[in-house]
Amino acid sequence: AQSVSQHNHHVILSEAASLELGCNYSYGGTVNLFWYVQYPGQHLQLLLKYFSGDPLVKGIKGFEAEFIKSKFSFNLRKPSVQWSDTAEYFCAVTRNSGYSTLTFGKGTMLLVSP
Amino acid sequence: EAGVTQFPSHSVIEKGQTVTLRCDPISGHDNLYWYRRVMGKEIKFLLHFVKESKQDESGMPNNRFLAERTGGTYSTLKVQPAELEDSGVYFCASSSTIYEQYFGPGTRLTVT
Repeated sequence: AQSVSQHNHHVILSEAASLELGCNYSYGGTVNLFWYVQYPGQHLQLLLKYFSGDPLVKGIKGFEAEFIKSKFSFNLRKPSVQWSDTAEYFCAVTRNSGYSTLTFGKGTMLLVSP
Repeated sequence: EAGVTQFPSHSVIEKGQTVTLRCDPISGHDNLYWYRRVMGKEIKFLLHFVKESKQDESGMPNNRFLAERTGGTYSTLKVQPAELEDSGVYFCASSSTIYEQYFGPGTRLTVT
């Protein structure tokens, strides 16, 4: 069975600091990769996704993620965080075989102080 | 376009009682998913409908959980009888393709 590991459960940053959230998955086949975000009081939203092609994916609000196949990783990055980025971030995968169930990591709670 | 809606937003029930959660997907989305997040754990898949048919229910914890999707539109998830370990946030998601899912706000279920 596939699994997803997120390295940090809680991250605290000051505004303008750079962000990198780690995500590793375990699955021997081809996968599709996602980062979802849940802002306080809101529902889960898709931040970005990777299916194929350029391994550097750009998402909304200045976020990007890089798929490194050899490392089974899909880390999320942002050069300069804002207070409004305070949220919980979830890495998720689906198998690229028509089976569309999302497998999530445990989530990383990001707190950005102004 | 309206998003995925869930009702109720919060439910508190006693152990042994029955609760029914409802999900209304985005109009036209054939795929509907239920997920659950128990406190401190990851969001876990429960089941997947394609229209009114259960495509995959491998994540359903036990036979106390019953999901239905009437006419391929809204879906209900019934827990009967509820146990303490059923507490958590139940998410519904829908999609028109197999690769992108849109989530509802979730129903927070507390079993006391």
